[in-house]
Amino acid sequence: KQEVTQIPAALSVPEGENLVLNCSFTDSAIYNLQWFRQDPGKGLTSLLLIQSSQREQTSGRLNASLDKSSGRSTLYIAASQPGDSATYLCAPGGGQNFVFGPGTRLSVLP
Amino acid sequence: SAVISQKPSRDICQRGTSLTIQCQVDSQVTMMFWYRQQPGQSLTLIATANQGSEATYESGFVIDKFPISRPNLTFSTLTVSNMSPEDSSIYLCSVASSGANVLTFGAGSRLTVL
Repeated sequence: KQEVTQIPAALSVPEGENLVLNCSFTDSAIYNLQWFRQDPGKGLTSLLLIQSSQREQTSGRLNASLDKSSGRSTLYIAASQPGDSATYLCAPGGGQNFVFGPGTRLSVLP
Repeated sequence: SAVISQKPSRDICQRGTSLTIQCQVDSQVTMMFWYRQQPGQSLTLIATANQGSEATYESGFVIDKFPISRPNLTFSTLTVSNMSPEDSSIYLCSVASSGANVLTFGAGSRLTVL
């Protein structure tokens, strides 16, 4: 059974800092890994998808890496902004079965 | 990616009643997923809904409590039956795009049971 952890659980930083969010998973037999953002009381917005054959994906100020063999993924946020404040969840996917991590709650202070 | 409309967006219900949540997708999809997010928690998969067959439920979730309908390739409903305060959660509908297996979510239905 896939188990997912995310470190840190919460993070509060001043605006402009570069951030690293970590995701670990126990079963490396995944097809892909997706990073999501969730604003309070809202649904999830997909940020990045990394296929198992890829090492990283970039979208704007976001960069996600995947080390499938060690069961790790990292989300890097450059030059953080207050609008980045949200909970970030990773979800390794085995076929069409995605298991979600507990999330990292990010607060970027102006 | 698919656009998902989910309603109601929120509701306050009395203990013992049932509520049906609707999920409409703007394109045909094979599989639709229903998740629950309890307060302060991450997402837990309730069931996978396939058109033309019974939903497949995850451990800890049963059809009597969470009946699901999937009448066509663009629509599904989840009913939360005989509600108790422990059912207060956000319920989310999602679909996986064919090929890339990208999960897309609806905005969620925030349910409060008094």
